[in-house]
Order: sequence, then structure tokens, then C-alpha cells
Amino acid sequence: AQSVTQLGSHVSVSEGALVLLRCNYSSSVPPYLFWYVQYPNQGLQLLLKYTTGATLVKGINGFEAEFKKSETSFHLTKPSAHMSDAAEYFCAVSAYLNQAGTALIFGKGTTLSVSS
Amino acid sequence: EAGVTQFPSHSVIEKGQTVTLRCDPISGHDNLYWYRRVMGKEIKFLLHFVKESKQDESGMPNNRFLAERTGGTYSTLKVQPAELEDSGVYFCASSQRPGSYGYTFGSGTRLTVV
Repeated sequence: AQSVTQLGSHVSVSEGALVLLRCNYSSSVPPYLFWYVQYPNQGLQLLLKYTTGATLVKGINGFEAEFKKSETSFHLTKPSAHMSDAAEYFCAVSAYLNQAGTALIFGKGTTLSVSS
Repeated sequence: EAGVTQFPSHSVIEKGQTVTLRCDPISGHDNLYWYRRVMGKEIKFLLHFVKESKQDESGMPNNRFLAERTGGTYSTLKVQPAELEDSGVYFCASSQRPGSYGYTFGSGTRLTVV
């Protein structure tokens, strides 16, 4: 069965500092991996996804993540944090339901705070 | 294109009452999903529609929850009778293809049962 662990429910950084949000997954099949972001009072927005191919995936707003099979990790990074990055971030892995499709298995989420 | 619309955005009801949540997917998206986040927990899958048919409802917590998708368009999720543990945020998502490639989520409905 697939599962996702996000290390750290809260991460605080200063504006301009590196953002690193950690995600480890468990999957018995080659995983499809996702990062979503939820800004206050908004829905879940897809930041980036890994399906196949290049293991370094670039997303919106300057975020990127690297799929490391040997470490079963998919950590999210951004070189320089902006105040607008303050939000809750969710890592997710796809899980097969049946022949018709998949569902997402989410981690518990990491709240990112950015201070000036 | 319009996104996935959910309403109400917030609902506060008393234990034992009935509540109906609605989701309008993106036009043309045959696949519609419901997810739920109970406070402090992960976002969890509830069920998946393909057009008007329930493809998988393995995540539905119990028979107090009833989901429908009339004519393959909008979907409703009814909770009857509501219990305290049903409080949380209910998300709807839609996609053109089955699978996780192109989910678009709505803003969610925050349900509080008191």
C-alpha cells in the first residue's frame, strides 16, 4: 500500500532563505508524486508532479522537487523564500483504485511560515 | 474556463441534522472525486465518479454519507445524520482523464458539526 510521510508539520524560514520541505513515500509500484499548495481560504493548487522521465521536476512559483528512488524521497525546494509562499504544502502519491483510475494518498501537510 | 466550484464554503450544523454539499466540476470533466480532511489528519479519498456512475467509493466512512452525481454533471454529498466526527473540510476535484494527472480541486467546504 502507498503512504506518504511529511517530516515537520511546521517550517519557518526568513524571506530570501532556502525552503526545504521533506516528503518520503512508500509505494510498491513506480510512484507518481505530487506537491500541492493551499493558500488561506483557497483550494488545493498543483505545484508540480513527477510521473516518469527527468527526476528533477520544476513547478510553479520557482519551486522544484527531486525524485530519489533510492531514498524514497520527493523533497520540495525553493532557493529564495518570498512572503507570498506562506501556505500549507501537501505531498501526495498516486494509488491504484481499480482499472479505471487512481486516487491520491496525501501526507499530513507542512505549514510554511515566512518572516521578514 | 471556470474552475471546480463548491458550495457552501462553510456550514455549521447541529449533531443529528442533515447537510448537503455540492460540487460543480469543470465542464467536460467526466471524472469527479471527493476528498475529506478531518482536523489534524491527512486529506483522504472518499469516492470517484465517472460520469454518473460511482467508480470507487471505498473511502466513504459509513452509510451516513451518500454521494450522487445527477446526469454526470454536478455532484452532491449528503451527510445524514451528521456526527461530531464528520467535521472537516470536504474537497471536490475533477479531471478529464481518470487517474491523478490532471486533478483540479475546488476550494472546499468547511463543515462544522456542533
